[in-house]
Amino acid sequence: TQLLEQSPQFLSIQEGENLTVYCNSSSVFSSLQWYRQEPGEGPVLLVTVVTGGEVKKLKRLTFQFGDARKDSSLHITAAQPGDTGLYLCAGAHNTGNQFYFGTGTSLTVIP
Amino acid sequence: DTEVTQTPKHLVMGMTNKKSLKCEQHMGHRAMYWYKQKAKKPPELMFVYSYEKLSINESVPSRFSPECPNSSLLNLHLHALQPEDSALYLCASSPSGPHAIGDSPLHFGNGTRLTVT
Repeated sequence: TQLLEQSPQFLSIQEGENLTVYCNSSSVFSSLQWYRQEPGEGPVLLVTVVTGGEVKKLKRLTFQFGDARKDSSLHITAAQPGDTGLYLCAGAHNTGNQFYFGTGTSLTVIP
Repeated sequence: DTEVTQTPKHLVMGMTNKKSLKCEQHMGHRAMYWYKQKAKKPPELMFVYSYEKLSINESVPSRFSPECPNSSLLNLHLHALQPEDSALYLCASSPSGPHAIGDSPLHFGNGTRLTVT
């Protein structure tokens, strides 16, 4: 069962535009992570958020964890071609050793 | 460069072949994972090992057989696969053991691209 829904599923934008990716669930998670996967490589961790309402910034990327810890968003400012990839959110609970991946967002930034 | 090394990078095998995928990490991580990924889809969990013991098997067909010889190595033995098993197979590790993964991240290898003919 897929617990985390991401939207949009596909996104193609021009270089310099802004975008937001959403990760929504009906379940509460103790932590949520965002990964980016480039073609031919494995996913790479971008950020972990653990506190409801938390906002973290990584250069042009801003991540927010919902107050109820059920959802998260990723905002990219002034997208660049290097941002192209598959973005994945993944939730975890305090018990167990399994991550629940979102449905994924495939981003293409056109030069 | 990733700290999780997977070999081979590419593998083509027939439906009657037996092959193995290998994964190695030297970060002292105690949990290791096998995922299957189709193009532009999220990774699907197959197996989890915690402290070298199989802790999760996500109802994977028996033609996939995992093995954890020691805390640094993880193998996936393949036998009598079907064409629909063609995918990217990802290995990952995380620092924590069987409880409370919390904010412990996954470290992925670059995967083995498997094609079953």
